[in-house]
Amino acid sequence: QKEVEQDPGPLSVPEGAIVSLNCTYSNSAFQYFMWYRQYSRKGPELLMYTYSSGNKEDGRFTAQVDKSSKYISLFIRDSQPSDSATYLCASTYNTDKLIFGTGTRLQVFP
Amino acid sequence: GAGVSQSPRYKVAKRGQDVALRCDPISGHVSLFWYQQALGQGPEFLTYFQNEAQLDKSGLPSDRFFAERPEGSVSTLKIQRTQQEDSAVYLCASSLERGYVYEQYFGPGTRLTVT
Repeated sequence: QKEVEQDPGPLSVPEGAIVSLNCTYSNSAFQYFMWYRQYSRKGPELLMYTYSSGNKEDGRFTAQVDKSSKYISLFIRDSQPSDSATYLCASTYNTDKLIFGTGTRLQVFP
Repeated sequence: GAGVSQSPRYKVAKRGQDVALRCDPISGHVSLFWYQQALGQGPEFLTYFQNEAQLDKSGLPSDRFFAERPEGSVSTLKIQRTQQEDSAVYLCASSLERGYVYEQYFGPGTRLTVT
């Protein structure tokens, strides 16, 4: 079992929809939770990170962590075609490596 | 400012050849990471440097993989006697210093194809 699990999708939604992307993790020692966006043939781009449990909002994006259920979520409001990409969740418990999920491919159609 | 850069962007190697992949981190970033991303998968950790010191190489898949960062800035990932299973995108990331592992900034990657 991988330490971070993520549904690979693809997820296809119409423009303007609210998108919900989710991950689960198994290691209760994880403290930081990140969301990266990766366009085709590009490197991952950090969207936001959260420490421990709670919510964090940045524009149209909201990250949510529930440590009791080991569940990580990213919500995208008013989705745009430019949001079409692969979204990677990642976690860490120490000071060196990130543990990534497999990524969820999102397509937002006009 | 300039982000993380990697070269070459694409590399085709015949099985058994040696390859060297280069990473230029963001200026002033002390921590440097290498990851391997197979098709349809998330990045997997290979190794980590703090300045010139390689503090964790637990993710290197075999002794054919070797990484260095001799002056604490540019890093090179070398793969000897490449095999087909080495085909992947190799990503480099940097962060300001140890303790900022959650703010890693990635380069565009080097796509290695072993034929």
